[in-house]
Amino acid sequence: SQQGEEDPQALSIQEGENATMNCSYKTSINNLQWYRQNSGRGLVHLILIRSNEREKHSGRLRVTLDTSKKSSSLLITASRAADTASYFCATTTSGSRLTFGEGTQLTVNP
Amino acid sequence: DTAVSQTPKYLVTQMGNDKSIKCEQNLGHDTMYWYKQDSKKFLKIMFSYNNKELIINETVPNRFSPKSPDKAHLNLHINSLELGDSAVYFCASSQAPGQGYEQYFGPGTRLTVT
Repeated sequence: SQQGEEDPQALSIQEGENATMNCSYKTSINNLQWYRQNSGRGLVHLILIRSNEREKHSGRLRVTLDTSKKSSSLLITASRAADTASYFCATTTSGSRLTFGEGTQLTVNP
Repeated sequence: DTAVSQTPKYLVTQMGNDKSIKCEQNLGHDTMYWYKQDSKKFLKIMFSYNNKELIINETVPNRFSPKSPDKAHLNLHINSLELGDSAVYFCASSQAPGQGYEQYFGPGTRLTVT
């Protein structure tokens, strides 16, 4: 069964606005990762947050993790047209198996 | 320098044929993976190798056979291709199989079975 589910499935915003994407999962995790996929390309790792962390920042990215609610959010501040992509959360429960969510398609309009 | 490369990028073939996709990583990683991404962009792991040893083998038809000649290469051979095999196949690698290692993805191979 699928572990992560992203919300919303699609998000369209104007350049300069903030974009927030949410991810929910079903079972206990060791860590959660966010990846970006530009159209026709492979996935690129953005950030990893461990189960004992609540918030992490990387440049314009802010990730939160609430293990009690089994959810995570990815905030992209001051969005740019180049941020247009699909964003996936992925969870690790054991070993190296990553389970991906369905993804959020973000469109940033210039 | 391409970290994880795959060939071919596009593959169009007929049902019943046998085809292979090749993957190479120059990151010095120990672990490599094959994923399948369907038309709805859902990404599912198929196989994982660590130092040429199979460590993840998901429920995949046995028409799919991975081969790792060395830890820098992981190939995927598919026999008797079916329409439902049409998808984008991604190779990835990570430093080690343990938890908490980010994965580096190749550009993908778009397989179309007609």
